[in-house]
Amino acid sequence: KQEVTQIPAALSVPEGENLVLNCSFTDSAIYNLQWFRQDPGKGLTSLLLIQSSQREQTSGRLNASLDKSSGRSTLYIAASQPGDSATYLCAVLHSGNTPLVFGKGTRLSVIA
Amino acid sequence: GAVVSQHPSWVICKSGTSVKIECRSLDFQATTMFWYRQFPKQSLMLMATSNEGSKATYEQGVEKDKFLINHASLTLSTLTVTSAHPEDSSFYICSARDQAGIGSPLHFGNGTRLTVT
Repeated sequence: KQEVTQIPAALSVPEGENLVLNCSFTDSAIYNLQWFRQDPGKGLTSLLLIQSSQREQTSGRLNASLDKSSGRSTLYIAASQPGDSATYLCAVLHSGNTPLVFGKGTRLSVIA
Repeated sequence: GAVVSQHPSWVICKSGTSVKIECRSLDFQATTMFWYRQFPKQSLMLMATSNEGSKATYEQGVEKDKFLINHASLTLSTLTVTSAHPEDSSFYICSARDQAGIGSPLHFGNGTRLTVT
């Protein structure tokens, strides 16, 4: 059974810092991996999707990498801003039309 | 981009009553929708997979008679929490994938905050 772990569970950084969020998964036979952002009491916003054949994806100040063989992904946030404060969720898709399996998330606080 | 609309965004109900949550794909057709539940400071846990025109598939530990799912069209799935109890208070989120895009991003609704008093 696929398990997704995110470290750290919570992170507080001063504004302007670059930071890395980590995600690991136990079954490397994934179809793709997706990073989401969730604001308190809100739904999910998809940030980046990495297909199993890809190594990384970039969107603005966000960069996500994938090392499928080692079961790891990282989300890099450059020049963090207070507006980045949210919970970041990592989720993997095993195959086809199966549902996503989520990690517990990392709660990020960026202090002005 | 693809949009999933979920309604209501929040609801308060009395113990013993039933609540229906709607999930609509607005600009694409979804043969499959997924229903997740999230307790405070926990991750999203899959409750059931909703398939258009057929019975939903429930995850272990989720009571199918309590959480009724109907996926009557390619754009609408509903989750009904029957005889709600305070322990059912949670954040419910639906998601859908464009039927033409196996492996493409899942699109999520904004969730429904259910509080049972």
